[in-house]
Amino acid sequence: IQMTQSPSSLSAFVGDRVTITCQASRDIRKYVNWFQQKPGRAPELLIYDASNLQTGVPSRFSGSGSGTDFTFTISSLQPEDIATYYCQQFDNLPYTFGQGTKLEIK
Amino acid sequence: EVQLLESGGTLVQSGGSLRLSCAASGFTFSNYAMSWVRQAPGKGLEWVSGIGASGGSTYYADSVKGRFTISRDNFKNTLYLLMNSLGAEDTALYYCAKDQVFDIWGQGTMVTVSS
Repeated sequence: IQMTQSPSSLSAFVGDRVTITCQASRDIRKYVNWFQQKPGRAPELLIYDASNLQTGVPSRFSGSGSGTDFTFTISSLQPEDIATYYCQQFDNLPYTFGQGTKLEIK
Repeated sequence: EVQLLESGGTLVQSGGSLRLSCAASGFTFSNYAMSWVRQAPGKGLEWVSGIGASGGSTYYADSVKGRFTISRDNFKNTLYLLMNSLGAEDTALYYCAKDQVFDIWGQGTMVTVSS
């Protein structure tokens, strides 16, 4: 299953609403994770099962979607959100990641 | 504290072999599937291999099938990845990750394959 993530990079102001999308090449139900990876660090799980917020993750992060189309949103961008974000499907093996979205502050 | 700690990464010659380890602590290791994920320098994430909680089921990406073997020792709370016939394309930071939702990751161990 291919996961097409867009955009590949994004620049926004602090306080902006930011949206990243992922499209699966076939139906993956709700089985999508969203990860944040800061430079030099391991990825961290933010959202699982498309819309469930991982424990301890700020509520400004959210996810939605099912089937083939998924969306990840940061409601109000903060300076510490600078990172690369990845979607991943785990409905079918081999599990596959999107290409990543590098998020920068304007 | 829930923790995964990878080890075993090093510089290896093309065609060589290497075994990575991932030591788990802070959770009941034997209850969870585990995976290996790699990241080539400056690139994105690639799922490499997964194993069921008991070790009875194993899965591989096409890029490593037939060359890599995943295994686990539930008594030692340790996950392994045996890598054979290594090539330059296997140069990457290798992470282990817990469960199907990948909720816990280690810090990674670097494998560099030289030609």
